[in-house]
Amino acid sequence: EAGVTQFPSHSVIEKGQTVTLRCDPISGHDNLYWYRRVMGKEIKFLLHFVKESKQDESGMPNNRFLAERTGGTYSTLKVQPAELEDSGVYFCASSSTGGGTDTQYFGPGTRLTVL
Amino acid sequence: EDQVTQSPEALRLQEGESSSLNCSYTVSGLRGLFWYRQDPGKGPEFLFTLYSAGEEKEKERLKATLTKKESFLHITAPKPEDSATYLCAVQAGGSYIPTFGRGTSLIVHP
Repeated sequence: EAGVTQFPSHSVIEKGQTVTLRCDPISGHDNLYWYRRVMGKEIKFLLHFVKESKQDESGMPNNRFLAERTGGTYSTLKVQPAELEDSGVYFCASSSTGGGTDTQYFGPGTRLTVL
Repeated sequence: EDQVTQSPEALRLQEGESSSLNCSYTVSGLRGLFWYRQDPGKGPEFLFTLYSAGEEKEKERLKATLTKKESFLHITAPKPEDSATYLCAVQAGGSYIPTFGRGTSLIVHP
């Protein structure tokens, strides 16, 4: 079974530019999450999709971040315009729908550097 | 607010030297506590989920335990390939959103 994949693995952009990150969850997983880890800090939640619907976007930093999950499959996270403080590693995770605790499986991350 | 504190921040061991990593947590109603392993340049890899105090789980040289305030990840006779950052995360109440600790960076010398 293929795991969670993310593209690109690295992105270096100038302040003010736009970047789009992509996540392909494990096949059949309805739940998709985006996280970010800023250097020296812990991994922080950004938002949660259930299929194509945003279940919780309380962690999104501001309106420069836009996440979509068309058709309930892959997801994109767009940052426009990028600022220096957006640098970090962006992780995507997915899980299957079910009762009880939700075990999330993470992708390898996209390292974003904003210059 | 839920909090997770991991200690130590970094740990160096000799091969075969057993030790424990700590994860202290403050949460309103624990739903589950997770341990992940993260290698450089990769995403967190799931290891264990613990649900209630007194629960223990094992996998190879790793054993995770849980009390009402903390969890330990015991590493028995570690090998260099156990070198990684170990992350702890908790889910609370009715939320599926985990709160992560900053991790413990483990280096095992041959």
